[in-house]
Amino acid sequence: DQQVKQNSPSLSVQEGRISILNCDYTNSMFDYFLWYKKYPAEGPTFLISISSIKDKNEDGRFTVFLNKSAKHLSLHIVPSQPGDSAVYFCAASREIQGAQKLVFGQGTRLTINP
Amino acid sequence: NAGVMQNPRHLVRRRGQEARLRCSPMKGHSHVYWYRQLPEEGLKFMVYLQKENIIDESGMPKERFSAEFPKEGPSILRIQQVVRGDSAAYFCASSLVHEQFFGPGTRLTVL
Repeated sequence: DQQVKQNSPSLSVQEGRISILNCDYTNSMFDYFLWYKKYPAEGPTFLISISSIKDKNEDGRFTVFLNKSAKHLSLHIVPSQPGDSAVYFCAASREIQGAQKLVFGQGTRLTINP
Repeated sequence: NAGVMQNPRHLVRRRGQEARLRCSPMKGHSHVYWYRQLPEEGLKFMVYLQKENIIDESGMPKERFSAEFPKEGPSILRIQQVVRGDSAAYFCASSLVHEQFFGPGTRLTVL
């Protein structure tokens, strides 16, 4: 039962253009969503998050959009840079007994071409 | 301001041996989570602990796996009698509220 899905295993984007990574979820009880970036042999690095009471959050080149009715979120990176090449995971959580247990998607490998 | 630390980074065990993975959370963080990543998959939740308490272990296999977070010292994930299917990257994360910060992971290889 995959509650969080990233349907694109890979994405290739030209340097300087916009990268759009997508994520769908099925559980309407999720109340917080996060994006992580991961390089090989390293742990995930937190990028940006959004609460379910918002529909947009922006931090520098990164913007996350949440469409609750469609149970869909996306991460926009603009402009894309070569250092953005990595695997991106979206994650969703809801608080249970004080815990924010994260449910991850399968990841999307983003490649930025010079 | 050290981040989440995990050791060892790489661990090789033969089938039937025990594996012990350690995690020191970020300073001031009292919530510790363990996740496992199998090859070509996303991270899967295993267990959530606070000091001296296991809060949620719903993602942990019922046998051979255990976790603790003692009053003093790091959190330990222990796998007894390892099998080849336990080969994976094990990540620890700590948090104050929502955002979880991850360690570099321990890559376990079972021969």
